[in-house]
Amino acid sequence: DVKVTQSSRYLVKRTGEKVFLECVQDMDHENMFWYRQDPGLGLRLIYFSYDVKMKEKGDIPEGYSVSREKKERFSLILESASTNQTSMYLCASLRIGGSSYEQYFGPGTRLTVT
Amino acid sequence: EDQVTQSPEALRLQEGESSSLNCSYTVSGLRGLFWYRQDPGKGPEFLFTLYSAGEEKEKERLKATLTKKESFLHITAPKPEDSATYLCAVQVSGAGSYQLTFGKGTKLSVIP
Repeated sequence: DVKVTQSSRYLVKRTGEKVFLECVQDMDHENMFWYRQDPGLGLRLIYFSYDVKMKEKGDIPEGYSVSREKKERFSLILESASTNQTSMYLCASLRIGGSSYEQYFGPGTRLTVT
Repeated sequence: EDQVTQSPEALRLQEGESSSLNCSYTVSGLRGLFWYRQDPGKGPEFLFTLYSAGEEKEKERLKATLTKKESFLHITAPKPEDSATYLCAVQVSGAGSYQLTFGKGTKLSVIP
């Protein structure tokens, strides 16, 4: 079974703080993703990575950065947290098997910025 | 612009009352269509991937089908434990990446 873990389930931070969210997968997948999920807006892609040290912006990268120093680990960084970044953050890892593609998600981190 | 629309937004069913959820899409080229189940406060759980029109996949009480414009998730004789939000997502071909575009989901409630 694919396992994707995220460092925290719940996190409360203050405005202006630097925030690190970490995601680890145990299946040697090359592609990993960070989404945020908000009521009425659904899941939106922030950043993704297709290999170590490689990254691409998603639909809403502003205010975020990412780091992928090792294949199994993909970090999302909020450089200076703001209240509008209060959200559920979801990490995903992609399994590719022949012609099939499946994204597997972690349990999520609910971040509150006060 | 690629779009994914799910309907209805919410659905209440009596236990045993079969129904279908709809996912319509407008994309330049479909590489795959994905269905997920999400329980409150948790990450989405992968259910199915469909790749071509006419394809069908089944898992317990769930059956997913795909046409050139939409996908249906059929729920046969649902039970209360099937209550969840069901998400549909598409992956566009030729994009050079594997990113998904999600619909906003259908919240299913199954009443005992």
